[in-house]
Amino acid sequence: DTAVSQTPKYLVTQMGNDKSIKCEQNLGHDTMYWYKQDSKKFLKIMFSYNNKELIINETVPNRFSPKSPDKAHLNLHINSLELGDSAVYFCASSTRDRSADTQYFGPGTRLTVL
Amino acid sequence: AQSVTQLGSHVSVSEGALVLLRCNYSSSVPPYLFWYVQYPNQGLQLLLKYTSAATLVKGINGFEAEFKKSETSFHLTKPSAHMSDAAEYFCAVSAPNSGGSNYKLTFGKGTLLTVNP
Repeated sequence: DTAVSQTPKYLVTQMGNDKSIKCEQNLGHDTMYWYKQDSKKFLKIMFSYNNKELIINETVPNRFSPKSPDKAHLNLHINSLELGDSAVYFCASSTRDRSADTQYFGPGTRLTVL
Repeated sequence: AQSVTQLGSHVSVSEGALVLLRCNYSSSVPPYLFWYVQYPNQGLQLLLKYTSAATLVKGINGFEAEFKKSETSFHLTKPSAHMSDAAEYFCAVSAPNSGGSNYKLTFGKGTLLTVNP
């Protein structure tokens, strides 16, 4: 009964490749997010979607393209991977896009670009 | 724009000792504040949050935090550390994104808590 799940957990790939990370939540939430955690553990929001609509795009390179086929899923596709993309990517969800709403995080996907 | 500063990237305590993790925030609007914990190789889990009700907020695992507007602080405490408390702790502030209609969490850089036997 995992609340927020991500696949894969680990992803090792070569520079220049294209890869996708999938996220699903079974909490019935309307809002989903992607975060990037760098090697120093700093967490920064990348995107958020509310009911499949993009509402936050934090100046992320356009090699990163989120897609939300329905409000329970938010996938992240990355083109032409670079060394600097190596990080842990977290998906999260919340009831709504409101300031007091708790965000529930997935277990993370560790991406290593060689 | 909002920001969070966590003083001390690493705090080390003995088992049974007081835990104090410091967080100061900056926000142009009344803030909502959160503490999250991240255990090794796991996602983030909410410890507690302040949403403008009581200034002293109690969370899970015996943690609590006090919102002090005059000091722009939201420090996390626990009276007696346990070995299982060893983890990375993140303070975060929620405030409107540019444009004012959407909210985002801005995290501090985290504090690694180690507990010595």
